[in-house]
Amino acid sequence: GIQVEQSPPDLILQEGANSTLRCNFSDSVNNLQWFHQNPWGQLINLFYIPSGTKQNGRLSATTVATERYSLLYISSSQTTDSGVYFCAVERGDMRFGAGTRLTVKP
Amino acid sequence: DTEVTQTPKHLVMGMTNKKSLKCEQHMGHRAMYWYKQKAKKPPELMFVYSYEKLSINESVPSRFSPECPNSSLLNLHLHALQPEDSALYLCASSFINSPLHFGNGTRLTVT
Repeated sequence: GIQVEQSPPDLILQEGANSTLRCNFSDSVNNLQWFHQNPWGQLINLFYIPSGTKQNGRLSATTVATERYSLLYISSSQTTDSGVYFCAVERGDMRFGAGTRLTVKP
Repeated sequence: DTEVTQTPKHLVMGMTNKKSLKCEQHMGHRAMYWYKQKAKKPPELMFVYSYEKLSINESVPSRFSPECPNSSLLNLHLHALQPEDSALYLCASSFINSPLHFGNGTRLTVT
């Protein structure tokens, strides 16, 4: 099956810092989504981005489908950004990467 | 608040019990999903219903039995579970080829 790799596995930031999270996938996909799971377990869909670039406030994402990767940018990080960020790809069914655990310190 | 509602939020059951998890959405989505998530792991797909028909079953043990009574409801019937089945069970829904919307999950503990 398709492999999804996320990096880095863990990231600690000071409030206000910027960061880039990466998602690599091993085969062509029909779509790609980014999710944030907060400390209470709630999964929030951040972006549906099979290709191209999207922005939503301090967050933006870029998917280069031909090179099989996607990037999630977080600018001016806040403590509420803490949690786990998952990339998920769909090729028949939806597969999640292992996630990046982000901690933003005040 | 989430537009996908899961009940109960927490469930403790013995290995001989029969229980059901429920999921409801009123967004008109025609695809509904069950995922299982163990601590510090990503969600793992269990079942997918598309237009109320089971379209994907990821080799899940028969002690988990899904049911989709109508386009808004999804159930997961549990019977003779093992302690290793303790996990967060997540329901999601979507239009076809569209963003996935998750419920808040049911935290299941099997004793």
